[in-house]
Amino acid sequence: DIQMTQSPSSLSASVGDRVTITCQASQDISNYLNWYQQKPGKAPKLLIYDASNLETGVPSRFSGSGSGTDFTFTISSLQPEDIATYYCQQYDNLPGFTFGPGTKVDIK
Amino acid sequence: EVQLVQSGAEVKKPGESLKISCKGSGYSFTSYWIGWVRQMPGKGLEWMGIIYPGDSDTRYSPSFQGQVTISADKSISTAYLQWSSLKASDTAMYYCARRGFSLRLTAFDIWGQGTMVTVSS
Repeated sequence: DIQMTQSPSSLSASVGDRVTITCQASQDISNYLNWYQQKPGKAPKLLIYDASNLETGVPSRFSGSGSGTDFTFTISSLQPEDIATYYCQQYDNLPGFTFGPGTKVDIK
Repeated sequence: EVQLVQSGAEVKKPGESLKISCKGSGYSFTSYWIGWVRQMPGKGLEWMGIIYPGDSDTRYSPSFQGQVTISADKSISTAYLQWSSLKASDTAMYYCARRGFSLRLTAFDIWGQGTMVTVSS
């Protein structure tokens, strides 16, 4: 099975800071990598699909890049409403969908 | 509006059975896979399985195979997740989510609000 790691597991940053989260797959997953935002007490929300495509309606300060095994998620200018846990998720035909462990983002 | 609406919170005892639901609206329910995702208290997201309501083709994560049953009734645009004998370790929030189509095929683009299941004696 493909394993996903994320780093860091948590971070604190100031409003306006650039925030970067990395996700690594245990084997090549092409660009089958998606990013979700989950605010406390809420359902996850799709932000980025296929590594670098911004979901409709998502602010442009969110972006993603990478392919193969190494991926990056960036918030170009952190806003107070971005406080959340962010998950990467890969798709492989077998067994299917796997989520990373998550990165909790707080305001310093 | 495209949405998935889940059934309400449940409190059950160990050994009891349970079936929770997820009703889709605003889109062609039979044309999109519906997945189920578990989130244990304070923990991350775990994919459990997925069903295609058009023909009830169902796939399970190896971690959940044999532990739960996923089904769908396309006549009422509803997917289900059920347990025959609950355990305390089944206590969690359960989300249904629509698998995307075309360019978003590897992602879950619409999520239900979640159903909290508490299993306690």
